[in-house]
Amino acid sequence: DAGVIQSPRHEVTEMGQEVTLRCKPISGHNSLFWYRQTMMRGLELLIYFNNNVPIDDSGMPEDRFSAKMPNASFSTLKIQPSEPRDSAVYFCASSLLDTQYFGPGTRLTVL
Amino acid sequence: DAKTTQPNSMESNEEEPVHLPCNHSTISGTDYIHWYRQLPSQGPEYVIHGLTSNVNNRMASLAIAEDRKSSTLILHRATLRDAAVYYCIRLRDTGNQFYFGTGTSLTVIP
Repeated sequence: DAGVIQSPRHEVTEMGQEVTLRCKPISGHNSLFWYRQTMMRGLELLIYFNNNVPIDDSGMPEDRFSAKMPNASFSTLKIQPSEPRDSAVYFCASSLLDTQYFGPGTRLTVL
Repeated sequence: DAKTTQPNSMESNEEEPVHLPCNHSTISGTDYIHWYRQLPSQGPEYVIHGLTSNVNNRMASLAIAEDRKSSTLILHRATLRDAAVYYCIRLRDTGNQFYFGTGTSLTVIP
């Protein structure tokens, strides 16, 4: 299995631009998680899907962030408009039972 | 309260055992304890988990106190590749949202 796939691996954009991060979970997994990691705040859960349905989005920082899971094999996290404080590493993880498997992350830099 | 308490950093000599402690004094009877680690520039990876009994796998051992208020991750022979941040996480049986704390940064000295 290829594991959780995230794209792009690195993204550099300017303030105000729209950013879309993509995630392909492990086949057969029914839960998907988006996390954000910064030096100041560590790893934070942003949103969690189960069977493609958002279950808990209380970690989404504000309305500029949105996440979708149109099918079991694809999810996106969108930031519009982006701001410099959104600079972070964004991880996607998937699970079938308790164990979560993380992707390599997308390093986002907003100038 | 889903928080756990871990030391910020620890050091170990290569090929010696390492005991990484975690305090979870408010844990409920059905919360599992999970350990993950994050190698530099990588996403977190699963290490081990348990509920009441001590657990062993190819990566590590997990010793859970009898009152379940604390646990210890044991790496039997530390290698340089074990240098990472180790996270102790409580997982509620009502859901699988992880709350990562600051973790313990393990340095392995050659």
